[in-house]
Amino acid sequence: GESVGLHLPTLSVQEGDNSIINCAYSNSASDYFIWYKQESGKGPQFIIDIRSNMDKRQGQRVTVLLNKTVKHLSLQIAATQPGDSAVYFCAEIVMNRDDKIIFGKGTRLHILP
Amino acid sequence: ETGVTQSPTHLIKTRGQQVTLRCSSQSGHNTVSWYQQALGQGPQFIFQYYREEENGRGNFPPRFSGLQFPNYSSELNVNALELDDSALYLCATILDRDTQYFGPGTRLTVL
Repeated sequence: GESVGLHLPTLSVQEGDNSIINCAYSNSASDYFIWYKQESGKGPQFIIDIRSNMDKRQGQRVTVLLNKTVKHLSLQIAATQPGDSAVYFCAEIVMNRDDKIIFGKGTRLHILP
Repeated sequence: ETGVTQSPTHLIKTRGQQVTLRCSSQSGHNTVSWYQQALGQGPQFIFQYYREEENGRGNFPPRFSGLQFPNYSSELNVNALELDDSALYLCATILDRDTQYFGPGTRLTVL
């Protein structure tokens, strides 16, 4: 079946440390994976994406790793800042007729001062 | 900012009523998707419109319907509202490559 799940519902990280948010997915046919950040009262904000034919992609302060063997996705945030506090969703897309995004439940990232 | 706007920002309705939510994009695109996000959950796909026609649908009953207009703005209509319809309703449109960008959402409360 289609599902995207997260290992931890809440993650607390010291400001300045690196954050790692993990995600497991079950649909081996997924073509495309996305990480979204959602702050309170706002819609999901695109952070970074990765195609299924890649295993790593880097952005500004963020890195996404994809391990298709174990169907695992992670988001690494370097030098975590207070503004990184939010709920983070991993999501998957099977590129077909409607390209619907399948979201997991989310991980809340809490930054400790 | 994504340039995707939604209206209204908040709405309160009672059971049995009907509601219309709206979405528009500064740089129009021919694909728009709608999602429902219950409190503490990830967004759930409702349906997608492509060139003014429904292009795919999630596990939502027919009382959830939509429209897409020639200027690529879109509406989500929900009839016979139920308490469980209380949620944040999000629209998303593709602004570059294949990435879907979300609007800020409409918070619907059904009493």
